[in-house]
Amino acid sequence: NAGVTQTPKFRVLKTGQSMTLLCAQDMNHEYMYWYRQDPGMGLRLIHYSVGEGTTAKGEVPDGYNVSRLKKQNFLLGLESAAPSQTSVYFCASSYSEGLEQFFGPGTRLTVL
Amino acid sequence: KQEVTQIPAALSVPEGENLVLNCSFTDSAIYNLQWFRQDPGKGLTSLLLIQSSQREQTSGRLNASLDKSSGRSTLYIAASQPGDSATYLCAACNQAGTALIFGKGTTLSVSS
Repeated sequence: NAGVTQTPKFRVLKTGQSMTLLCAQDMNHEYMYWYRQDPGMGLRLIHYSVGEGTTAKGEVPDGYNVSRLKKQNFLLGLESAAPSQTSVYFCASSYSEGLEQFFGPGTRLTVL
Repeated sequence: KQEVTQIPAALSVPEGENLVLNCSFTDSAIYNLQWFRQDPGKGLTSLLLIQSSQREQTSGRLNASLDKSSGRSTLYIAASQPGDSATYLCAACNQAGTALIFGKGTTLSVSS
């Protein structure tokens, strides 16, 4: 039982490049979330999903897109990376609304 | 808009001391209040979850209380140990149960 895993762990991009972060969970959770963590700002919700095929915007969705084609996977895409998107990205999942969220180990992204 | 504040931002105590971490939130219409632990360079680990109808939750040496009317939660750590050194985050869950609003955390250092 791996829990929540994230790929990759580290990535460096140049401004304007695109990339996709992958989150996978093996706990059969319905809800999945993407957060970013910045010094002095805390964790902020980017997008979330309440089930396969659904996505919704969180607090800071601009510049990101997401997809939930399979229940166990939640993808976060950056179409044209900007230095302001330099951050640590965390994925989380929960069985249902309002229940305990389980977090992945994070992806450290640097945009030059 | 919900805002979550944690005081103090940092705390240093000797081993064995009992301590209290504080969390306040501006909107009392919450689904629940969650406490997490984050070790340097790692993801978040859920510690305690208090439903909006509950007053407190306990797990081992940890006790979390919730006072919705005053917009406050406290995390009590008994007999602190060096292994308790980490950043502690509280998060208020919105009424829909779909989003966590995080405080910026309290970084705890326990010296032996």
